[in-house]
Amino acid sequence: EAGVAQSPRYKIIEKRQSVAFWCNPISGHATLYWYQQILGQGPKLLIQFQNNGVVDDSQLPKDRFSAERLKGVDSTLKIQPAKLEDSAVYLCASSLVSGLVAGYTFGSGTRLTVV
Amino acid sequence: DAKTTQPTSMDCAEGRAANLPCNHSTISGNEYVYWYRQIHSQGPQYIIHGLKNNETNEMASLIITEDRKSSTLILPHATLRDTAVYYCIVRLLNSGYSTLTFGKGTMLLVSP
Repeated sequence: EAGVAQSPRYKIIEKRQSVAFWCNPISGHATLYWYQQILGQGPKLLIQFQNNGVVDDSQLPKDRFSAERLKGVDSTLKIQPAKLEDSAVYLCASSLVSGLVAGYTFGSGTRLTVV
Repeated sequence: DAKTTQPTSMDCAEGRAANLPCNHSTISGNEYVYWYRQIHSQGPQYIIHGLKNNETNEMASLIITEDRKSSTLILPHATLRDTAVYYCIVRLLNSGYSTLTFGKGTMLLVSP
C-alpha cells in the first residue's frame, strides 16, 4: 500500500512570500489532516477534511493560511504571506475512518524555512 | 482529553529493553492509551494501543497499571533505528471527528 505522499520535501522562502504544499493521501482514506510541527514540539492540527468538506479548522490562521481538498482526494495547503514564525514541518495525514485514533498514516512532511 | 506526562528524554543501550513511562492519572474508564513514535525527518507512526489489559504486537508491548493511571511502553530489544520521539496519547477508541493531539513526547536515544 502506498503511503501518504507530500511535496515538496523542503522549501525556503523569504517572509511575505507565498508557498503551497501538496498532499496525496492513501487511496480510499476519506479523512485528511494537516499538522504543523515547530521544532521541539509535537504536531499541532491545522485543519481536518472529511472527503472534500472541512470538519475542523479552528486552529488554522485564516488570515494567511488556506487549504482545499478538491474531489475529496489530493489537498493543498497555502500560506500567503509567510511570516518567520511559520518556519516548521507541515505534516499531512490520512485515515480511513474519521476519529479512529490508531488509523492515522502520516507523510514525511514538508520542511519550510522562512528567512 | 486526559492529560499525559512523559519524561523529556531517555537513553537506552542497543539490545537492551527500553521502558518508556507515561502518567495519565485523569484517564476515564472508556479512554484508551495510544503510543505513536516519530523518527527523525519522518511523520509519526502508530505503535500500539490498549484499554486495561497488557498488549503486545510485533513492535512493542504495552503495560497498563491496574488503576490505569500510568502505563509503560516496552521495546524488548532496542535497536539504533528505535531512536525517536515517543508520544503517549489518551483518547476514546473512536472519537468521531476529534483528532489526535500530541504533547512533546519522550526523546529516546539508543546508543551502541
